[in-house]
Amino acid sequence: SQKIEQNSEALNIQEGKTATLTCNYTNYSPAYLQWYRQDPGRGPVFLLLIRENEKEKRKERLKVTFDTTLKQSLFHITASQPADSATYLCALDMGYSTLTFGKGTMLLVSP
Amino acid sequence: DAGITQSPRHKVTETGTPVTLRCHQTENHRYMYWYRQDPGHGLRLIHYSYGVKDTDKGEVSDGYSVSRSKTEDFLLTLESATSSQTSVYFCAIRREGDRASGYTFGSGTRLTVV
Repeated sequence: SQKIEQNSEALNIQEGKTATLTCNYTNYSPAYLQWYRQDPGRGPVFLLLIRENEKEKRKERLKVTFDTTLKQSLFHITASQPADSATYLCALDMGYSTLTFGKGTMLLVSP
Repeated sequence: DAGITQSPRHKVTETGTPVTLRCHQTENHRYMYWYRQDPGHGLRLIHYSYGVKDTDKGEVSDGYSVSRSKTEDFLLTLESATSSQTSVYFCAIRREGDRASGYTFGSGTRLTVV
């Protein structure tokens, strides 16, 4: 079965820097890869989707890359702010009906 | 979140009792999902539905059943709750034909089985 690895250790960065989060997977490349944000006590919120034939996707300060050779997606937040502190989840969409989620990486942005 | 409500938000129940969690949507989407989230495991799919009376199992379906008698409601039942089912349960919907908008999740139900 598909395994998804996200760094379990929290990522601590200073405000204004770029945060880079990693999502690695095994086996087959998904048709789509999604990123979500989750705040404590809340449900995940969808951020971005990237397709297997796309190398990069941007939305405001967010950028996602997808390398099917490395079986990896990188999620970047530029000019990070304390309000970006949250847990970020990646999810694989194989093109069927369900998503498989990674365990998430906590991001802490200090002023 | 917009159009999706979970109830109750919190519940404490005793081992061996049945429990039903409700997910209600106002947007008439076919696809609805139940996930549980636990420390160290992340979000894991329990069951999902692709229409009225159409459901399928997910990764961790043992001990759970679901029903979808109306498009707007997706019920998750723990027939006989166990302590291992203490978790946070999330419902989600997917907008068919609009994959680029991802899933929309409810606010979750925190269930404690004592």
